Amino acid sequence: DAKTTQPNSMESNEEEPVHLPCNHSTISGTDYIHWYRQLPSQGPEYVIHGLTSNVNNRMASLAIAEDRKSSTLILHRATLRDAAVYYCILSEDTGNQFYFGTGTSLTVIP
Amino acid sequence: DVKVTQSSRYLVKRTGEKVFLECVQDMDHENMFWYRQDPGLGLRLIYFSYDVKMKEKGDIPEGYSVSREKKERFSLILESASTNQTSMYLCASSLTASGYTEAFFGQGTRLTVV
Repeated sequence: DAKTTQPNSMESNEEEPVHLPCNHSTISGTDYIHWYRQLPSQGPEYVIHGLTSNVNNRMASLAIAEDRKSSTLILHRATLRDAAVYYCILSEDTGNQFYFGTGTSLTVIP
Repeated sequence: DVKVTQSSRYLVKRTGEKVFLECVQDMDHENMFWYRQDPGLGLRLIYFSYDVKMKEKGDIPEGYSVSREKKERFSLILESASTNQTSMYLCASSLTASGYTEAFFGQGTRLTVV
């Protein structure tokens, strides 16, 4: 199973953009890159995913390096409600397994 | 909206008891998962199931078993609970066996074994 590496923690000021990095140097050609976040006392929730091209949705943007060995989750304007643990995971093409790491704990400073 | 419901939010059991954690999803998803979450260790996959009566071991299956008799229900069983199984347990489901599908999580069951 391919693994990901993320910083343990990051801080951001409210209303500023946040770039959350993820390294996945052993990614295979068919692995999808997923991002989830976990708010305090809740289960993880889906944020975004992609394969090769950059992706945008109402919550965030996902920038994928050309060699796919790294990706960045971009929150365009951090709010206090974005304070959470963010997980970058690789989903095998079979989709049968989601392997989570320890994630990045994001603190948003008012 | 997809809903994944775990039967209990908090549970306290005694060492040696047989413990059942129940999870139900309401969107006809094929895949279901059980994770445990511990401080500093993140989420670790215990078991997953890709169809009724089918199961696969995850990273840490020791001390656990699972049952999936109906598509919507996935049970995690602790045959003889031990204190090192005190943890947050999270159930999830996903639509199909494809990497592009997202997983939906329940709220979690915080189990304490005394």
